Amino acid sequence: EVQLVESGGGLIQPGGSLRLSCAASGFTVSDNYMSWVRQAPGKGLEWVSVIYSGGSTNYADSVKGRFTISRDNSKNTLYLQMSSLRAEDTAVYYCARAFGDILTLSYWGQGTLVTVSS
Amino acid sequence: DIQMTQSPSSLSASVGDRVTITCQASQDINNYLNWYQQKPGKAPNLLIYDASNLETGVPSRFSGSGSGTDFTFTISSLQPEDIATYYCQQYDNLLLTFGGGTKVEIK
Repeated sequence: EVQLVESGGGLIQPGGSLRLSCAASGFTVSDNYMSWVRQAPGKGLEWVSVIYSGGSTNYADSVKGRFTISRDNSKNTLYLQMSSLRAEDTAVYYCARAFGDILTLSYWGQGTLVTVSS
Repeated sequence: DIQMTQSPSSLSASVGDRVTITCQASQDINNYLNWYQQKPGKAPNLLIYDASNLETGVPSRFSGSGSGTDFTFTISSLQPEDIATYYCQQYDNLLLTFGGGTKVEIK
């Protein structure tokens, strides 16, 4: 059974850093495109980042230069390193597994809340 | 970047009604268009992929159509459990973008 479990969210001050983790089971992270999607309170879905099966990455303009997506194949875990955090980064962050190398997000985690506030 | 314009942003319909949501891409995306359902406090759930293919286990009252820039999502007979927000998502050019969402309520 495919499972994605996010962790690492919490309250962080503006300008701070945080690392989110997404532990995967039931499939191999490195065999699939993996993505982070966020949702600010009361707002719609916003794509954040993707790591392709070959290891290359891409980011939304809103987080480029501040966020880094990565994976640990030995732990079958996806990460999102977030730095220079702003109030507008406050959101529930979901990790999602694409359907192989097609960016159809077939499986989602339950989400982890990041709150950026002083 | 490709922009997705989804409409309406909200709608209210009666049980049994036919409900239609549209999504327009800012450029041709072939059929690289998915639809998701999100219930309050839950993660999104894939309903339709590649514009018109029903995900396994999804009721047949849900359907999708379209190609190029204009896409439609339909619930043929609205049920109480369909109360949710629906999102389109394109994935052309190895990037993805979501539409703004449509909140569906019961009248």
